[in-house]
Amino acid sequence: GAGVSQSPSNKVTEKGKDVELRCDPISGHTALYWYRQSLGQGLEFLIYFQGNSAPDKSGLPSDRFSAERTGGSVSTLTIQRTQQEDSAVYLCASSLEVAVSYEQYFGPGTRLTVT
Amino acid sequence: AQTVTQSQPEMSVQEAETVTLSCTYDTSESNYYLFWYKQPPSRQMILVIRQEAYKQQNATENRFSVNFQKAAKSFSLKISDSQLGDTAMYFCALFSNTGNQFYFGTGTSLTVIP
Repeated sequence: GAGVSQSPSNKVTEKGKDVELRCDPISGHTALYWYRQSLGQGLEFLIYFQGNSAPDKSGLPSDRFSAERTGGSVSTLTIQRTQQEDSAVYLCASSLEVAVSYEQYFGPGTRLTVT
Repeated sequence: AQTVTQSQPEMSVQEAETVTLSCTYDTSESNYYLFWYKQPPSRQMILVIRQEAYKQQNATENRFSVNFQKAAKSFSLKISDSQLGDTAMYFCALFSNTGNQFYFGTGTSLTVIP
């Protein structure tokens, strides 16, 4: 594809519901990153994938958060039993490899609002 | 631990003028990388410029340049000949080789005034 895409663009959900956020990286990019951007805050790193593997899940805010990546391509970030503090923009980025020499390309994000 | 601090939440500049955005950081690593990203209202983060810590020469990209002071752990971004399209949030970031992750500052909202 031309760039990183994310869906949905916006999601409004009720407290306690589960949500799934999707990221389609640039074709051929093996590295994929998830970030959370809360109002007035910078980007908070959540997790990265090298291929289908996530070596370090310690950045996920709680055990309600999980992420997976299949086929070395699409990734989903799942938030179970959403809380109001989960409201944020969730950004996904991809790069050729997990190395700083490779530029990260960001998607437009999913704005999640928990009511 | 790695931290990135941007102490200017908002700034404005007249079109065609020059503006400098400040960033300080802290890291225990000897080799690291620093970045400036731009986030326009479309939310799409765009890489503006990056600097390898082991390089003494300041990076430049057209109208964008940095002032990298390694001893002071300072990494400011200078935008020359400001254009209306430069209006955006600007984030300073540090890449940690240890955790393979970025650490971002809280951002500076820049408005270019016509």
